[in-house]
Amino acid sequence: DVKVTQSSRYLVKRTGEKVFLECVQDMDHENMFWYRQDPGLGLRLIYFSYDVKMKEKGDIPEGYSVSREKKERFSLILESASTNQTSMYLCASSSPGGGTEAFFGQGTRLTVV
Amino acid sequence: AQKVTQAQTEISVVEKEDVTLDCVYETRDTTYYLFWYKQPPSGELVFLIRRNSFDEQNEISGRYSWNFQKSTSSFNFTITASQVVDSAVYFCALNDYKLSFGAGTTVTVRA
Repeated sequence: DVKVTQSSRYLVKRTGEKVFLECVQDMDHENMFWYRQDPGLGLRLIYFSYDVKMKEKGDIPEGYSVSREKKERFSLILESASTNQTSMYLCASSSPGGGTEAFFGQGTRLTVV
Repeated sequence: AQKVTQAQTEISVVEKEDVTLDCVYETRDTTYYLFWYKQPPSGELVFLIRRNSFDEQNEISGRYSWNFQKSTSSFNFTITASQVVDSAVYFCALNDYKLSFGAGTTVTVRA
């Protein structure tokens, strides 16, 4: 069974903290994505990666960075967490090519207080 | 600018009614892919269907069907004879290099 695993379901962090969200996939996928999901806004792409050590900005990269040192792992980093980064974060992976479907993790509900 | 627009925020129907979800997309590329995903109350997004930009043939798969019209940049999705288990948030997505999603349509099917 294919799997995308996010390290935490729920996180509570303080303003100004550096936050790491981890995502691991076991399907040997080249492509990996980070989205945030907010009511009424759907899924918004933060960063994506089409290969190890490669990263590209999505639509809302400000305040975030990513790391992809290994093919199976894609980390999202909040350099200095702020309350407006309270959200549901979703990780996804897919095979190469635009027509392949993405597989999603369960999501991490991050609350910044 | 939003590349994928789902104008319907919420739809509520009674079981066995058909439900059609609208999706309008925007891209300058000639090669792209369109998708529909479902997010049930459990939260995990599930892939439903896909269509590439070169194939405008409409299809039916079980209770799902889709209508792709390149001329109007629309990719609409229909659930026939809806069931309570179809209650979920449905997302339309476009991949023209980046995989972009719409805001989602919440479908509630009442028994």
